[in-house]
Amino acid sequence: EDKVVQSPLSLVVHEGDTVTLNCSYEVTNFRSLLWYKQEKKAPTFLFMLTSSGIEKKSGRLSSILDKKELFSILNITATQTGDSAVYLCAVFQNEKLTFGTGTRLTIIP
Amino acid sequence: DTAVSQTPKYLVTQMGNDKSIKCEQNLGHDTMYWYKQDSKKFLKIMFSYNNKELIINETVPNRFSPKSPDKAHLNLHINSLELGDSAVYFCASSQRTGGANVLTFGAGSRLTVL
Repeated sequence: EDKVVQSPLSLVVHEGDTVTLNCSYEVTNFRSLLWYKQEKKAPTFLFMLTSSGIEKKSGRLSSILDKKELFSILNITATQTGDSAVYLCAVFQNEKLTFGTGTRLTIIP
Repeated sequence: DTAVSQTPKYLVTQMGNDKSIKCEQNLGHDTMYWYKQDSKKFLKIMFSYNNKELIINETVPNRFSPKSPDKAHLNLHINSLELGDSAVYFCASSQRTGGANVLTFGAGSRLTVL
């Protein structure tokens, strides 16, 4: 059965800390791995990764994929209260996105 | 302009009723999806349509019937609602041709069945 597993399930840190969110997967027909951020409403797209070892960056966020070990990490440096959200990892396979359970990140001011 | 719009945003109804949720996208995408998000925030695929053709039906009860009148619209009709149908339903779209795998999501429709 296809599965995407995220850890930790929840994380509480202080503003300014750096966090690393993990995502491992076992799926058939892997095409790409995506990270989304979900606050109150729609998940919003952060990154799409298709190749191993190539880091994608956007401001304080960065992500990398390891296709040999079947995992990805999302790093957030110098966290801010606006980073509080559920971060979703998903794998595009068999014409659909299969999601993990998400990591709920809470940033304390 | 809202890229993927769903109506209604909130729906409260009694068990046994029939209800519909509508979705429209103005991104010119050729593929649309319905996802269900439970109380633990887990998002699970229900259906996918490409150019009005059903391509994914992920073991969803027959009470759920999607309809795609054209590639910009995908509606979801639910018959004989049950308590377990309470969830947030997200519509999404993507461009399948060319291999783009990024889904754009609507704001969700929260369904509460009493």
